[in-house]
Amino acid sequence: NAGVTQTPKFRILKIGQSMTLQCTQDMNHNYMYWYRQDPGMGLKLIYYSVGAGITDKGEVPNGYNVSRSTTEDFPLRLELAAPSQTSVYFCASQGLARPYEQYFGPGTRLTVT
Amino acid sequence: TQLLEQSPQFLSIQEGENLTVYCNSSSVFSSLQWYRQEPGEGPVLLVTVVTGGEVKKLKRLTFQFGDARKDSSLHITAAQTGDTGLYLCAGARNAGNMLTFGGGTRLMVKP
Repeated sequence: NAGVTQTPKFRILKIGQSMTLQCTQDMNHNYMYWYRQDPGMGLKLIYYSVGAGITDKGEVPNGYNVSRSTTEDFPLRLELAAPSQTSVYFCASQGLARPYEQYFGPGTRLTVT
Repeated sequence: TQLLEQSPQFLSIQEGENLTVYCNSSSVFSSLQWYRQEPGEGPVLLVTVVTGGEVKKLKRLTFQFGDARKDSSLHITAAQTGDTGLYLCAGARNAGNMLTFGGGTRLMVKP
């Protein structure tokens, strides 16, 4: 049981480049989330999804886009990378049986130079 | 401004000492979670508290939810080097699914 997996683990982007951070969960969870964590800080919610085909903005959505075509996958897209997007990105999922408990992936460390 | 304020931000103690970490808010939460995060990894859930005044124990860790459900504490007895990490509290405002995270307490336990 892999839980929540994220790829890539590390990435360096130049300003203006685009990339997609992948997230997959195998727990059949309805809810999925993307967070960013800046050094020494807590997590800020970027986007979330309550099920396939449904997404909504979180606290810091600017510069990002998401899609949820399947229950398992929730990719995060950066269209025009900026240095302010240098951060560690975490994907999380949550099931209906335990509605307040989120399970996190290992993170993607992104540097934009 | 953080909706959830954690204190202290940093804590460095010797192995065997006791410590308490606080998570405070002016808002009421329907539930509160504590996570531990180790370097290079995602947060791992330690406990969820949902009832005002609730106390939960996890080996040497004791978690308490305030009576008014606005604050929580984490107490570690006889800290071990393996307790080193970033401790995050997170609250859910209602029966919905979004969590608000505190800024974290970075704990270092020295041998």
